[in-house]
Amino acid sequence: DTEVTQTPKHLVMGMTNKKSLKCEQHMGHRAMYWYKQKAKKPPELMFVYSYEKLSINESVPSRFSPECPNSSLLNLHLHALQPEDSALYLCASSQPTREINTIYFGEGSWLTVV
Amino acid sequence: GNSVTQMEGPVTLSEEAFLTINCTYTATGYPSLFWYVQYPGEGLQLLLKATKADDKGSNKGFEATYRKETTSFHLEKGSVQVSDSAVYFCALGLNTGGFKTIFGAGTRLFVKA
Repeated sequence: DTEVTQTPKHLVMGMTNKKSLKCEQHMGHRAMYWYKQKAKKPPELMFVYSYEKLSINESVPSRFSPECPNSSLLNLHLHALQPEDSALYLCASSQPTREINTIYFGEGSWLTVV
Repeated sequence: GNSVTQMEGPVTLSEEAFLTINCTYTATGYPSLFWYVQYPGEGLQLLLKATKADDKGSNKGFEATYRKETTSFHLEKGSVQVSDSAVYFCALGLNTGGFKTIFGAGTRLFVKA
């Protein structure tokens, strides 16, 4: 069982809706990530939070807004999305130590924009 | 730049066949290397990793050795099972002012009974 929990597992939203994806981990990790994965493609990094501060934004459109309320939680706020934003959104976490460490993924949230 | 190149799939094998999935990388600095597996409809699971040259990662019968001289991290398994059918991603991890994991395109494996 994964120790990174994502909700909801499935979300269908209209282009004018506002919704949020949520992620929680209790492994004591201090780095958290959002990835986007389209069908038959590898995950693409969107955002990295390190010690609750945004450290990497991979030029993601502003209709995606991340938030890290505390060290265990990571949200992705969605507003005015486009159908091409439909994808699997993966949350992940790791220890932000000097050495490269393993990232642990949740099972993802399947997003469909209609 | 930093990148990962995997052999294209799909790869179709019979049960108990030998598996090799090739992976090569380009990176600045000293990356860690990973293999992740994704079963249908699920997220990614770490399969194995290696953090420095000549390290061998292994798990569930899968192995991969970090070869700095050939910049490779090929995945092998001596005898595949139907339950190994999945997509396999090779990845490298870098600390570039933040922690990035860069994935290869993925290789889909089908194992027939």
